[in-house]
Amino acid sequence: GAGVSQSPRYKVAKRGQDVALRCDPISGHVSLFWYQQALGQGPEFLTYFQNEAQLDKSGLPSDRFFAERPEGSVSTLKIQRTQQEDSAVYLCASSLLGLAGLQETQYFGPGTRLLVL
Amino acid sequence: GENVEQHPSTLSVQEGDSAVIKCTYSDSASNYFPWYKQELGKRPQLIIDIRSNVGEKKDQRIAVTLNKTAKHFSLHITETQPEDSAVYFCAAVNAGGTSYGKLTFGQGTILTVHP
Repeated sequence: GAGVSQSPRYKVAKRGQDVALRCDPISGHVSLFWYQQALGQGPEFLTYFQNEAQLDKSGLPSDRFFAERPEGSVSTLKIQRTQQEDSAVYLCASSLLGLAGLQETQYFGPGTRLLVL
Repeated sequence: GENVEQHPSTLSVQEGDSAVIKCTYSDSASNYFPWYKQELGKRPQLIIDIRSNVGEKKDQRIAVTLNKTAKHFSLHITETQPEDSAVYFCAAVNAGGTSYGKLTFGQGTILTVHP
């Protein structure tokens, strides 16, 4: 079946613009994660959804970052008033159940490469 | 929170040699340790994982070992091939209790296999 997809794959924004990044998880997957991957670094956790509920947003770097998953499937990560330090690859991952104690595989999307000029 | 350290940052080997990448973690409650391979411009892909109730797991040319006492785990690739060239990330997860399994990644190792 189809894997995790993300769009757009590349986004160039001028400093101060708002951007919206989309994630389509694997159909039926309950858990959805967003990660930020700076150049040459490992991905870092941003936020987590279980269905439509955002259970953890502790990794969001500022209040300019906002994520939603209103119907428990597609998710959007929005960055307001983008800054140069927001330039990174934004990865989305999903897993099937997300129940506590389960050691589930997370399947990643291809990422959105954001460049803020 | 969890902190994962990964070494080396770059690794260059000749085709056919073995490659070893090591990671340490800080949270003794972590109990699931996946390894991801990421080719340039591509998504991270799971290549092998290990759970805390085992010390070693092998899948063809790749193996992972875990030492819970020392809080470190390692990836071993034998008979390396040029297509093994990529960035490898280790990660740790506290998948117990109320955790839902967010990944804490190491900094990555750039593996280059020379023909």
